Amino acid sequence: GAGVSQSPSNKVTEKGKDVELRCDPISGHTALYWYRQSLGQGLEFLIYFQGNSAPDKSGLPSDRFSAERTGGSVSTLTIQRTQQEDSAVYLCASSRDKANYGYTFGSGTRLTVV
Amino acid sequence: KNEVEQSPQNLTAQEGEFITINCSYSVGISALHWLQQHPGGGIVSLFMLSSGKKKHGRLIATINIQEKHSSLHITASHPRDSAVYICAVSGSRLTFGEGTQLTVNP
Repeated sequence: GAGVSQSPSNKVTEKGKDVELRCDPISGHTALYWYRQSLGQGLEFLIYFQGNSAPDKSGLPSDRFSAERTGGSVSTLTIQRTQQEDSAVYLCASSRDKANYGYTFGSGTRLTVV
Repeated sequence: KNEVEQSPQNLTAQEGEFITINCSYSVGISALHWLQQHPGGGIVSLFMLSSGKKKHGRLIATINIQEKHSSLHITASHPRDSAVYICAVSGSRLTFGEGTQLTVNP
């Protein structure tokens, strides 16, 4: 597609429920990143996929968070047993290659855990 | 100490003023990025640079690799420039500064 597409744009969920957030990167972009931004805070790295390499999961805040990238394209970020502190905007970005090309960000998924 | 530090944190200017936002970093990088985030959260990549200077319209970005410092300049600022400007450095991932909230008053 022309840009990075994220869905849903907004998600309200009850504490304890699982949620799935989707990111569809720009076609041909091998690098895909998930970040989150809590209210009034800076951007926090979550996970990074590069081609067929093992993902860099070092930013995931707990084992309730996981992500997959199927076929080197679409990625799904799953949060199990959501907590109120998970409320944030979850941003996906893609790039042609690691580090040396510009990033294109999606418009994010605003997650609210009530 | 953060790996990427921006200054100032907040900046208010009058329309037409020349604006400078600074970014210093303490790690080795392959590139430095300037991003713009408008209210509502959308992030736009303004520049990616690894040396020298880039210009796009009224925006100019410079980087000094030896000094580990970059600046973003906005000439003839306009209220629509009001946004958060974020400096980020890339190695295997982006490491972000805290952002600079810019408000340009008419």
